[in-house]
Amino acid sequence: GAGVSQSPSNKVTEKGKDVELRCDPISGHTALYWYRQSLGQGLEFLIYFQGNSAPDKSGLPSDRFSAERTGGSVSTLTIQRTQQEDSAVYLCASSFGTSGEQFFGPGTRLTVL
Amino acid sequence: GQQLNQSPQSMFIQEGEDVSMNCTSSSIFNTWLWYKQDPGEGPVLLIALYKAGELTSNGRLTAQFGITRKDSFLNISASIPSDVGIYFCAGPEYNFNKFYFGSGTKLNVKP
Repeated sequence: GAGVSQSPSNKVTEKGKDVELRCDPISGHTALYWYRQSLGQGLEFLIYFQGNSAPDKSGLPSDRFSAERTGGSVSTLTIQRTQQEDSAVYLCASSFGTSGEQFFGPGTRLTVL
Repeated sequence: GQQLNQSPQSMFIQEGEDVSMNCTSSSIFNTWLWYKQDPGEGPVLLIALYKAGELTSNGRLTAQFGITRKDSFLNISASIPSDVGIYFCAGPEYNFNKFYFGSGTKLNVKP
């Protein structure tokens, strides 16, 4: 497809389980971003990849959160031992270079019961 | 981290009215971005500002980068029902390693 895709679109999990969220950026985009959006709130920056490396991981909320990007393309955001406060929409965006326009995916809505 | 404060939080206006919203930050930004988000979708970039004092238009939208580099405003003229949504201001850290978003202005337009 032409845009950023994310999967799954919805994920319901039980507290304590691990979840993996996937982002397919636009082909050729070197920069990839993950954000978290709680209900009625703005976007909270989580992490940014330039190619396969993330220069600053301090935006990740806790050590239960990790992200990787392979082949300069697909990225996965993993949340271990999920907690109810992790419930949110997780958005991914990609851009051609860091100062380029960020194109967002539709998000993954995560619900932790 | 940097804080971006948007106001107003929400607006209820009549179709055809003009709208103004603004964003202030605790620190200087070198780039200001304005996004619109529709329900169930990711934000879409409306306008990007790269220079203090810059005034940029995109159709009925006009945005300005404040001279102090700590504020920006977005105006929408002659609003229409499809302008409904949440408008966010955003800006990158100086090295682009982080991006900060405001809490949004929710716009409601009555036909």
